Amino acid sequence: DAGITQSPRYKITETGRQVTLMCHQTWSHSYMFWYRQDLGHGLRLIYYSAAADITDKGEVPDGYVVSRSKTENFPLTLESATRSQTSVYFCASSDTLNTEAFFGQGTRLTVV
Amino acid sequence: AQSVTQPDIHITVSEGASLELRCNYSYGATPYLFWYVQSPGQGLQLLLKYFSGDTLVQGIKGFEAEFKRSQSSFNLRKPSVHWSDAAEYFCAVGANTGNQFYFGTGTSLTVIP
Repeated sequence: DAGITQSPRYKITETGRQVTLMCHQTWSHSYMFWYRQDLGHGLRLIYYSAAADITDKGEVPDGYVVSRSKTENFPLTLESATRSQTSVYFCASSDTLNTEAFFGQGTRLTVV
Repeated sequence: AQSVTQPDIHITVSEGASLELRCNYSYGATPYLFWYVQSPGQGLQLLLKYFSGDTLVQGIKGFEAEFKRSQSSFNLRKPSVHWSDAAEYFCAVGANTGNQFYFGTGTSLTVIP
C-alpha cells in the first residue's frame, strides 16, 4: 500500500535496552523526519534527512541515532532507552519543504 | 530563528459557533504555511496550506485560513464548528533555510453540545 508506515505501533521496553523504530515510505520523498510528541511540548524534531545518506540533528537529538541508507527507510534507534524517552514518535516524509509533510500513525513507546 | 507560536493551548466552543485558532510565525523569507489536525490516537492530517497568491486559502472540512504578512499570522477559521472537529490543531512553517518544518505547540479544541 502506498503511504508512510511506522512499526511497531506500540512498544514497551526496559531502561537501558536498545530499541529501533521503523519508518517506511513508498513515495520516494526526499525528506524524512522524526518527531516526538509530548504533552505541553507539541511536536519536537529529533532528526531529519534531506536525502539518502544525509541526516541532521533537530531540536532534541540526544540519545537517538538515525540512518538513511535507502530513500524509503528512516529508522530511529534509541541506543540505551531512558524513561524520559517515553513518548509518541511520529515519522513524516515530504517531497520538498513547499509541499506538505505526510505523517505516519505514530509509535507509542513506553520505557519502564 | 524560525519559530511558530500558537498562543491558545486549549479552546472550548459550542457546536455551531464560529472558530478562530491563532498562529504567529517568525521567518525571514516568504513562508510556506500549513495547518494540520490530529484526532486522538492518530497521525497528523493536512487541513490546508499557503505558498503564495491569494491570502485566503480554503481547506478540507470547511476550514479556511488567512495569511497576513504584516502581522506574521496565519489564523485558522471555521464558520460553524461540528462536534467531530474536536481535535488537536497544529500550525507549521516550512523553512528552506533550516531544511525542515517548524511546528507550533498545538491548540486543543473541545466542542460542547
